[in-house]
Amino acid sequence: EVQLVESGGGLVQPGGSLRLSCAASGFTFSSYWMHWVRQAPGKGLVWVSRINSDGSSTSYADSVKGRFTISRDNAKNTLYLQMNSLRAEDTAVYYCASGHYYDSSGYHNQYYFDYWGQGTLVTVSS
Amino acid sequence: QSALTQPASVSGSPGQSITISCTGTSSDVGGYNYVSWYQQHPGKAPKLMIYDVSNRPSGVSNRFSGSKSGNTASLTISGLQAEDEADYYCSSYTSSSSWVFGGGTKLTVL
Repeated sequence: EVQLVESGGGLVQPGGSLRLSCAASGFTFSSYWMHWVRQAPGKGLVWVSRINSDGSSTSYADSVKGRFTISRDNAKNTLYLQMNSLRAEDTAVYYCASGHYYDSSGYHNQYYFDYWGQGTLVTVSS
Repeated sequence: QSALTQPASVSGSPGQSITISCTGTSSDVGGYNYVSWYQQHPGKAPKLMIYDVSNRPSGVSNRFSGSKSGNTASLTISGLQAEDEADYYCSSYTSSSSWVFGGGTKLTVL
């Protein structure tokens, strides 16, 4: 069974930092691109960042560029999001989700979010 | 990147059909066949319902279908059931090599 379990959320003051983790199991994590998607309370989904399967390529939404860093440890089957210089508008539930992947039959473009975690809440407030 | 435009709410009676629209630009919806749709029940994670405009993942009811014309994609749910009541979001890949979501549509089953 595919599982993505986020952790690391909590209350942080404006300007502070937090590192989120997403532990993967039930699939070949190292073969998948991964994403972070967030949802502010009562609001819609917003794409935040993505990383390719070996961690050599990343991209970010303009709203977090220069403040957030996505990374992964394929040996630990874990995805990370380092969040610095946090602002009140970063308050949201953060989800990790899967994207493109490769297997023995080749590369599979998945321009969509297939597996999702249950999310972790980040609250930025003084 | 501006959010895709969805109606804030739609409603229908059990057994009826409803359609949710998702309007973007030639840089996202109109430029790629990479529109996907997600269902989200309160307090739950989103669930993929449609990918690549009109494809259904394994396990998703064939009552859900997707289409696209120009810069507007649509999700149609036929034979509405009480369990379909949820928020629905569209998403598209963009020319900036990023992804954009719609603002979400609340579906009420009357």
